[in-house]
Amino acid sequence: NAGVTQTPKFQVLKTGQSMTLQCAQDMNHEYMSWYRQDPGMGLRLIHYSVGAGITDQGEVPNGYNVSRSTTEDFPLRLLSAAPSQTSVYFCASSSYSAGRTEAFFGQGTRLTVV
Amino acid sequence: DAKTTQPNSMESNEEEPVHLPCNHSTISGTDYIHWYRQLPSQGPEYVIHGLTSNVNNRMASLAIAEDRKSSTLILHRATLRDAAVYYCILRDRSTGFQKLVFGTGTRLLVSP
Repeated sequence: NAGVTQTPKFQVLKTGQSMTLQCAQDMNHEYMSWYRQDPGMGLRLIHYSVGAGITDQGEVPNGYNVSRSTTEDFPLRLLSAAPSQTSVYFCASSSYSAGRTEAFFGQGTRLTVV
Repeated sequence: DAKTTQPNSMESNEEEPVHLPCNHSTISGTDYIHWYRQLPSQGPEYVIHGLTSNVNNRMASLAIAEDRKSSTLILHRATLRDAAVYYCILRDRSTGFQKLVFGTGTRLLVSP
């Protein structure tokens, strides 16, 4: 099983550039989320989605956009990258309807903004 | 969201049991207690969760205090692969399962 797949694994951006972090899951989960993790810190929620067409903000949404056009995909867009967005980004998916409540995380995207 | 308090780090020897504590004195009746762990350079992975009763699975056991203000994750025989950061998280079943609030967790060091 592929689970949650994130691409790319590593990325270096210049300040002001834009990019999209990709996240795909093959478990038919309704819920998908994006987190960022700064050095020595726990994960913080950026945006989340409870289903296709529905998204909402988390704890640290500024500078990021999301959309959810399909159940499988939940891309995270950085419109104008800033050094403060240097971090490791994790995508997660979960499903309550399946009777299991655990979240599955991808391997992460390590982003450096110079 | 109710908060949890964990020690910053703990050490163990391989093959010995490990008890990782978590305090959650402001837990509400609708909060589940979840544990995740994060191995080096990987995303978090689910370990176990519970509501009121003690729980066991293939990875660990979860002991929950009778007043639910604290819990303990038990690894019965630590291995080198168990070296990770362990997060204790309260998850409100009424607000959805897509939002996890991570603290800084407990870094478990396992010595051979």
